[in-house]
Amino acid sequence: DVKVTQSSRYLVKRTGEKVFLECVQDMDHENMFWYRQDPGLGLRLIYFSYDVKMKEKGDIPEGYSVSREKKERFSLILESASTNQTSMYLCASSHTGTSAALAKNIQYFGAGTRLSVL
Amino acid sequence: DAKTTQPPSMDCAEGRAANLPCNHSTISGNEYVYWYRQIHSQGPQYIIHGLKNNETNEMASLIITEDRKSSTLILPHATLRDTAVYYCIVRVAGSARQLTFGSGTQLTVLP
Repeated sequence: DVKVTQSSRYLVKRTGEKVFLECVQDMDHENMFWYRQDPGLGLRLIYFSYDVKMKEKGDIPEGYSVSREKKERFSLILESASTNQTSMYLCASSHTGTSAALAKNIQYFGAGTRLSVL
Repeated sequence: DAKTTQPPSMDCAEGRAANLPCNHSTISGNEYVYWYRQIHSQGPQYIIHGLKNNETNEMASLIITEDRKSSTLILPHATLRDTAVYYCIVRVAGSARQLTFGSGTQLTVLP
């Protein structure tokens, strides 16, 4: 089974702190994603990476940065946490395939990190 | 991605089959139907996908109408642990783009 592991289930941080959220996948997936999920707003993409050291901004990148130094690990960084970044953060990964078997492009999600910024 | 329409909520008795409908009348020929679910306070979980044939795996069955304008996800013997929000998504396979979930269907399995 594909496993996407997020380093923490719950985090409480203070305003202004630098926050690191870590995500590791064990299926050699090329693509990795960071979303946040808020009531009434659904899933919103923060950043996306399709290869090591590659990243693309999603819909709401402001206040966040990412790092992908190894294929299996994708980190989300809140440079200076603010209260409006209190949210559920979800990491996901998927294959990029050209063959029919890989064309499904299913995203596999971690359990999520519920971050509270006080 | 084609738009999907799902009922906001459904109940099902434990042990019975849960049939969750999804309308996707604007689906195009190269778009697949995917189903995910999200149990409260957990990450979304992939369930099943299909193009035009019916599909079955260890979690569920997917029935797609011949015109592909609608589909039904079937959980054959629902348990309390199947209580979740179920999302139907239509998208082109092989796309690495972000997922966008609609409102989904809140399925409540009743004891």
